[in-house]
Amino acid sequence: SQTIHQWPATLVQPVGSPLSLECTVEGTSNPNLYWYRQAAGRGLQLLFYSVGIGQISSEVPQNLSASRPQDRQFILSSKKLLLSDSGFYLCAWSQGLNTEAFFGQGTRLTVV
Amino acid sequence: GENVEQHPSTLSVQEGDSAVIKCTYSDSASNYFPWYKQELGKRPQLIIDIRSNVGEKKDQRIAVTLNKTAKHFSLHITETQPEDSAVYFCAAIISGGFKTIFGAGTRLFVKA
Repeated sequence: SQTIHQWPATLVQPVGSPLSLECTVEGTSNPNLYWYRQAAGRGLQLLFYSVGIGQISSEVPQNLSASRPQDRQFILSSKKLLLSDSGFYLCAWSQGLNTEAFFGQGTRLTVV
Repeated sequence: GENVEQHPSTLSVQEGDSAVIKCTYSDSASNYFPWYKQELGKRPQLIIDIRSNVGEKKDQRIAVTLNKTAKHFSLHITETQPEDSAVYFCAAIISGGFKTIFGAGTRLFVKA
């Protein structure tokens, strides 16, 4: 069966520090991969998605970047965090077209 | 641009009553419409979905309806229970079947 791992679960970082969140999927190949951000009490904003290794689509201009160095690994990064980067970050995967997305447990990031 | 609108943002019902959440989407090419439930501090999980070749789907106390002409779809929960209290998100798949765009969410409170 397929599983998705996302870590860390919580993170407190100072303004201006770098960020690296990692997500891996097991039990499937060539998944579609996604990063979403959820501000407190708000909806799910799509940040990046990837349909293959090295293929990254950015949805909104921001202080973040994403990379997919391996088929089942998706990384969210920032060189210098801003206060506004605080939120709940969710990695997700899906298979093929028009299918359900499965979410990781999420990372609660607080920038102080 | 591509978006999904969801109403209401908050819904409070008495236990045993019905709850209805409505969404509209903008991309007429969308063919898959999932609904997710997110309990406090947890990841969103699929509860039901509908494809464009059907107008209604039911799973026990939950049903979804789809009107492709009007680009509307709705979630209906009957005989609500306190454990139904959560945030519910509608979504639509766009961009050829890869991107899941979410509504802003509905916070449902079921009062015992």
